[in-house]
Amino acid sequence: DQQVKQNSPSLSVQEGRISILNCDYTNSMFDYFLWYKKYPAEGPTFLISISSIKDKNEDGRFTVFLNKSAKHLSLHIVPSQPGDSAVYFCAATGNSGYSTLTFGKGTMLLVSP
Amino acid sequence: ETGVTQSPTHLIKTRGQQVTLRCSSQSGHNTVSWYQQALGQGPQFIFQYYREEENGRGNFPPRFSGLQFPNYSSELNVNALELDDSALYLCASSLGIDRGGGGTIYFGEGSWLTVV
Repeated sequence: DQQVKQNSPSLSVQEGRISILNCDYTNSMFDYFLWYKKYPAEGPTFLISISSIKDKNEDGRFTVFLNKSAKHLSLHIVPSQPGDSAVYFCAATGNSGYSTLTFGKGTMLLVSP
Repeated sequence: ETGVTQSPTHLIKTRGQQVTLRCSSQSGHNTVSWYQQALGQGPQFIFQYYREEENGRGNFPPRFSGLQFPNYSSELNVNALELDDSALYLCASSLGIDRGGGGTIYFGEGSWLTVV
């Protein structure tokens, strides 16, 4: 049973436009949400996170929005650049006492020039 | 670069064999977690070691075992390999039980295991 779901396997966007990646979760105990970016042959790298007590967090071109009532979060990338082409994983963590991440299946973003 | 190194990067094993994967955590980090990423899936938590003790385990059978050494490096051992064990195995290091809200969980590049 998937607790973190990314329902779009892939997304194509033109350079300069907005990329919106979506993520849903089912576990109410999650209280921190993170986005990781992964290039081929590399490990996931941290992009941005949000605490459950917030509804928005912004870092440069990246903004994450959290809607707790809908158990939904989204990552906005504006403007999108070809170097943003990668697989994006949504992950969540709860107060389990140890730092484990529950990941979605990922969304492959392709930004074309 | 994250400072987390894994070896080997690629290996092929035969069903029924045993494999050991290794991870050196980032300097100063005392917690290592292992994840399995099958093709088309997100990483799945296998287990975590904190100060040489197993500190949590995901839904993996006992043939998946691990160790953490005094220098906080770690090994993942898988016995009686099955075809479904073919995956990318990721090591992540962190300090204590930091849940990574500030991006403080660092992943290595992974070890690709193919079981034939």
